[in-house]
Amino acid sequence: NAGVMQNPRHLVRRRGQEARLRCSPMKGHSHVYWYRQLPEEGLKFMVYLQKENIIDESGMPKERFSAEFPKEGPSILRIQQVVRGDSAAYFCASSLQRLAVNTGELFFGEGSRLTVL
Amino acid sequence: AQKVTQAQTEISVVEKEDVTLDCVYETRDTTYYLFWYKQPPSGELVFLIRRNSFDEQNEISGRYSWNFQKSTSSFNFTITASQVVDSAVYFCALSERTYGGSQGNLIFGKGTKLSVKP
Repeated sequence: NAGVMQNPRHLVRRRGQEARLRCSPMKGHSHVYWYRQLPEEGLKFMVYLQKENIIDESGMPKERFSAEFPKEGPSILRIQQVVRGDSAAYFCASSLQRLAVNTGELFFGEGSRLTVL
Repeated sequence: AQKVTQAQTEISVVEKEDVTLDCVYETRDTTYYLFWYKQPPSGELVFLIRRNSFDEQNEISGRYSWNFQKSTSSFNFTITASQVVDSAVYFCALSERTYGGSQGNLIFGKGTKLSVKP
């Protein structure tokens, strides 16, 4: 009964490279959320996806960041041409139902920690 | 604008002491939800509690209790007889109801790092 799986747990990139973070939701969950946690900060919402659709990307930076959740396979958060300010922990969460936030049934992964040199 | 303030950045207590973590929120909506999450050193986020704005009853779960006061926009969390395993960062979070369903947007405070020493 695996929870939300994120990989890699730790990723080191040099400025200008690309970072790809993967998230496999809990079994049966079709709603995925990405949050970013900067050092010494709380989590900030980035994007909410349902299978093959982006529902809300109001928290995503306008450039270099993209997310997808294909019909098959994990959700991917992609950061192109990374900069030092992208260094953070990126958390994925999943839920069974759309009203996940209101019911509290939002399950978080362990996060992927990106370090940009 | 929505905002969650956790004024205590770090708290250190000795085992068996009681400790209260403060959370103050701002919202324009009359319907909203409040949450507490625990982030242990391993890094994952563990859901602790959800409370909706119409339910001001305090809640107790074992050594944990929560005090929701709408009049002061506070949702404080108390750990009784703290243990070393309680050492973690604790986040308070807010969600406003979105007509037609939530968009998954939780507003988090910056967290309070609790250290419980033996």
